[in-house]
Amino acid sequence: AQKITQTQPGMFVQEKEAVTLDCTYDTSDPSYGLFWYKQPSSGEMIFLIYQGSYDQQNATEGRYSLNFQKARKSANLVISASQLGDSAMYFCAMREGGYSTLTFGKGTMLLVSP
Amino acid sequence: DTAVSQTPKYLVTQMGNDKSIKCEQNLGHDTMYWYKQDSKKFLKIMFSYNNKELIINETVPNRFSPKSPDKAHLNLHINSLELGDSAVYFCASSRTGFNEKLFFGSGTQLSVL
Repeated sequence: AQKITQTQPGMFVQEKEAVTLDCTYDTSDPSYGLFWYKQPSSGEMIFLIYQGSYDQQNATEGRYSLNFQKARKSANLVISASQLGDSAMYFCAMREGGYSTLTFGKGTMLLVSP
Repeated sequence: DTAVSQTPKYLVTQMGNDKSIKCEQNLGHDTMYWYKQDSKKFLKIMFSYNNKELIINETVPNRFSPKSPDKAHLNLHINSLELGDSAVYFCASSRTGFNEKLFFGSGTQLSVL
């Protein structure tokens, strides 16, 4: 079974609008972290935001916020006021306890139009 | 100043050749990784090393052999390259712990002709 599911292969949004990228996860480990990375066309992996399983509040980093719904096992990324430079591939990922690695979803390609 | 550096950035080679990709991190992390990103952009873990010891070895062909001479370096050697090995290979590092993010290198685009 997939541990990280991103159901939106592609999303389109107009500049200055907000957009939500969906992510659901599956784990039985009580200790886990959820991460979002951005991969622009240049190819580098850019860390955006982190949410821990024990965190009571949703994480925020500038224009990025994470809508964490633990009971639903979802960790959606919200980008407010989209910019042209936000056009990129976005990956949701999870890391469980111990020596685990980061497991990625298949990604969502976001295109921001003027 | 680059936190995780990998070389080369591009690697074009013929089928059957042997090639290596080098990775170094200057963040003092104890764990290093190799990921493969296929043509559909899916990122899959290949190997994970903690303090020079192999921790995770996913179902990767024996032709792929990682080597960690010290905590700061994790190299990937690939023997008898095949067409299907064409992909982007990312090195990464982190501290141990579920709350620790991974820092990625800039990737190596491997093209096997």
